Amino acid sequence: QQQVKQSPQSLIVQKGGISIINCAYENTAFDYFPWYQQFPGKGPALLIAIRPDVSEKKEGRFTISFNKSAKQFSLHIMDSQPGDSATYFCAASRGNTDKLIFGTGTRLQVFP
Amino acid sequence: EPEVTQTPSHQVTQMGQEVILRCVPISNHLYFYWYRQILGQKVEFLVSFYNNEISEKSEIFDDQFSVERPDGSNFTLKIRSTKLEDSAMYFCASSAYSGANVLTFGAGSRLTVL
Repeated sequence: QQQVKQSPQSLIVQKGGISIINCAYENTAFDYFPWYQQFPGKGPALLIAIRPDVSEKKEGRFTISFNKSAKQFSLHIMDSQPGDSATYFCAASRGNTDKLIFGTGTRLQVFP
Repeated sequence: EPEVTQTPSHQVTQMGQEVILRCVPISNHLYFYWYRQILGQKVEFLVSFYNNEISEKSEIFDDQFSVERPDGSNFTLKIRSTKLEDSAMYFCASSAYSGANVLTFGAGSRLTVL
């Protein structure tokens, strides 16, 4: 029940295309859903996050869509760029805990 | 931009040896964390630390592990007697706030146990 399932494991997108990464969770007590971006040799960095009181959050080219009833959330990267090539992790946590539960990661490659 | 600094970047050790991984969190942060990532697998929570105490720990964080903030700047993770399965990338993170919001991660320390 503590798991966050992420797909796909890897994704290849052409420059200018839309990258979509999906996550699903089981624990309805989760109330914070961040996405982290990790470049090789670096630690994960917070990209964008959402709480379940909204269905969508957009920051620049990055959008989180959240479906509370389906217990799913996804990251959309519009106009994908080669510089977006990285590993993306979804995560979830409950309000009264310090623990982030991470998904298994998606390696995104954007080709020019 | 402030960053979390971790040393060493890579450590190779023999099974059974003690290892200390060091972290310098962002200076005004009060909440500190260790996570680990076994090669090719997901990032896993180990422990959180606040006010010189462990606030939460995972089932992975057994008696072989300990954390300490020995002075005002460093935050360390000690593994007393390393096992092969401890081989992983260990990430330190810090936050100005409680809860799992807005963590800043370091670049990680790769531990290889032979």
